Amino acid sequence: RKEVEQDPGPFNVPEGATVAFNCTYSNSASQSFFWYRQDCRKEPKLLMSVYSSGNEDGRFTAQLNRASQYISLLIRDSKLSDSATYLCVVNMLGSSNTGKLIFGQGTTLQVKP
Amino acid sequence: DAGVIQSPRHEVTEMGQEVTLRCKPISGHNSLFWYRQTMMRGLELLIYFNNNVPIDDSGMPEDRFSAKMPNASFSTLKIQPSEPRDSAVYFCASSLDLNTDTQYFGPGTRLTVL
Repeated sequence: RKEVEQDPGPFNVPEGATVAFNCTYSNSASQSFFWYRQDCRKEPKLLMSVYSSGNEDGRFTAQLNRASQYISLLIRDSKLSDSATYLCVVNMLGSSNTGKLIFGQGTTLQVKP
Repeated sequence: DAGVIQSPRHEVTEMGQEVTLRCKPISGHNSLFWYRQTMMRGLELLIYFNNNVPIDDSGMPEDRFSAKMPNASFSTLKIQPSEPRDSAVYFCASSLDLNTDTQYFGPGTRLTVL
């Protein structure tokens, strides 16, 4: 089983739609969680961290469920510029693997006009 | 401010040749990471350093791959001899330290081995 699993998609949605991505992780010792965004032929960039209480940044909302080892990302009112691959990322701080980010395969989003 | 700098941006070489990829982390960052990305395997961590010392190289695929960090502002990833299956995008990333979550990625080196 992969350490971080995502549905690769692609998700094809019209502008203005709401879309949700899910991610599961296998190691219960995981400490920190993130969503990174990667545009075509570019490097990954941090989109947002994911906290147990959930967090929101404009149209983006991230949720963490530690009991189910599940992370989600919700994008509201999607824009053409949201088209990218979204990478679910887990960090195991405080263990022998401190600092080691584990990336999911990514979920591709295509927003159509 | 300059981000992570990688060179070359593109490299095309023939099987059996030595390839050296270079990375300059963000000034003041103490941790440096080398990743490889392919369609099949996604983004894989190859090796990472903290204060110029290799911490974990378990992701290095085989002995043909080696990495060094002679000082805080420079690291290399070397493949010798290269093989077609090494074709991928190689990213370097840096962070303040291992207890800091955010890693900043360089633009990557797109390697093609013919």
